[in-house]
Amino acid sequence: ILNVEQSPQSLHVQEGDSTNFTCSFPSSNFYALHWYRWETAKSPEALFVMTLNGDEKKKGRISATLNTKEGYSYLYIKGSQPEDSATYLCALGGGSQGNLIFGKGTKLSVKP
Amino acid sequence: GAGVSQSPSNKVTEKGKDVELRCDPISGHTALYWYRQRLGQGLEFLIYFQGNSAPDKSGLPSDRFSAERTGESVSTLTIQRTQQEDSAVYLCASSLDVGFPNSPLHFGNGTRLTVT
Repeated sequence: ILNVEQSPQSLHVQEGDSTNFTCSFPSSNFYALHWYRWETAKSPEALFVMTLNGDEKKKGRISATLNTKEGYSYLYIKGSQPEDSATYLCALGGGSQGNLIFGKGTKLSVKP
Repeated sequence: GAGVSQSPSNKVTEKGKDVELRCDPISGHTALYWYRQRLGQGLEFLIYFQGNSAPDKSGLPSDRFSAERTGESVSTLTIQRTQQEDSAVYLCASSLDVGFPNSPLHFGNGTRLTVT
């Protein structure tokens, strides 16, 4: 059974702070690592899909890195804004395995 | 363009009744996934389809749950003899193909099921 762990469970930061959170996963049989943002009353929205060790992806103030050998990915948010408040989910799997297994998420709250 | 559509958006049912949830994926997406989120919990995998076949049904909680997909399009998730612990938001997602490594999931808005 795949176990995808995310930390911290929740995070409260001030507007303008930079922050990061972690997704840990088994390093064997790696296929792809996904990051999603889930805002309240909306559906999860894809941020990044990463497949290669050492991958770094960026979208605006949000970026992510991937280390498949040691089994972790970091998500960074630079200069947090209130609109960044959401639950950030990572998910592992795909390929021959097919299903994507999600972590429980990191809930980010950004205070103005 | 059209995204993933789920219906109904809300469903309240009495314990013991059967319910059917519907998902219309993005046109051309061969992979379709069902997840649920119970109160205070994370996203729980239920089942996925590649085309019309379901290679992995391991996430279905009990034999009261079943799902089918026809025409590589619409999928229905059926819960028979609903129980209160079935109350959750049921999310459907689709992607181009499970074999495409860079293919993200596109989620619908979910069906909120409440069993009284």
